[in-house]
Amino acid sequence: AQSVTQLGSHVSVSEGALVLLRCNYSSSVPPYLFWYVQYPNQGLQLLLKYTSAATLVKGINGFEAEFKKSETSFHLTKPSAHMSDAAEYFCAVSAGNDYKLSFGAGTTVTVRA
Amino acid sequence: ETGVTQTPRHLVMGMTNKKSLKCEQHLGHNAMYWYKQSAKKPLELMFVYNFKEQTENNSVPSRFSPECPNSSHLFLHLHTLQPEDSALYLCASSQQTVNTEAFFGQGTRLTVV
Repeated sequence: AQSVTQLGSHVSVSEGALVLLRCNYSSSVPPYLFWYVQYPNQGLQLLLKYTSAATLVKGINGFEAEFKKSETSFHLTKPSAHMSDAAEYFCAVSAGNDYKLSFGAGTTVTVRA
Repeated sequence: ETGVTQTPRHLVMGMTNKKSLKCEQHLGHNAMYWYKQSAKKPLELMFVYNFKEQTENNSVPSRFSPECPNSSHLFLHLHTLQPEDSALYLCASSQQTVNTEAFFGQGTRLTVV
């Protein structure tokens, strides 16, 4: 079975500081990995996805994530936080015939002025 | 026009009421999903439809009844709900059910009184 674990349910950063959200996955086959963002009372929006091509994936809004097989990780980063980055972020995995997107519990990001 | 549209955005219903949630996708996708998002809980997959056929029901109580008349439309019929069913209900679609991202609607905020 596949799963993801997001480390830290809440991250607080200063405006302009690095944003780092951690995600570790478990899968017996090569995974497809995704990061989604959710603003209050909105649906989930895809930020970026890894589909076995380049290990460094660039997404929207200045976010990027790096797939590290040796560490089974897919951490999300943004060099400089903006107030508009305050939201909840979800890591998700889909692998093999177990097609269900499995979501992590989410990490809430707050940005301090 | 958004890719996945859900109506209504907000719904308040009594425990004896019958109501329906509607989802429509304009992306030409073949798979559609219902998710439940409750406060402080991970995203829960409820139902999966692929080419109009239900392929997954994650032990959802029978007071939730899905309907998929075609690949573009998905309904969730609600009856005799409980207060603990209050949540954000998210519809999503994807091109296929394997190793691909899902696109989400904005959700219906359901309150059962």
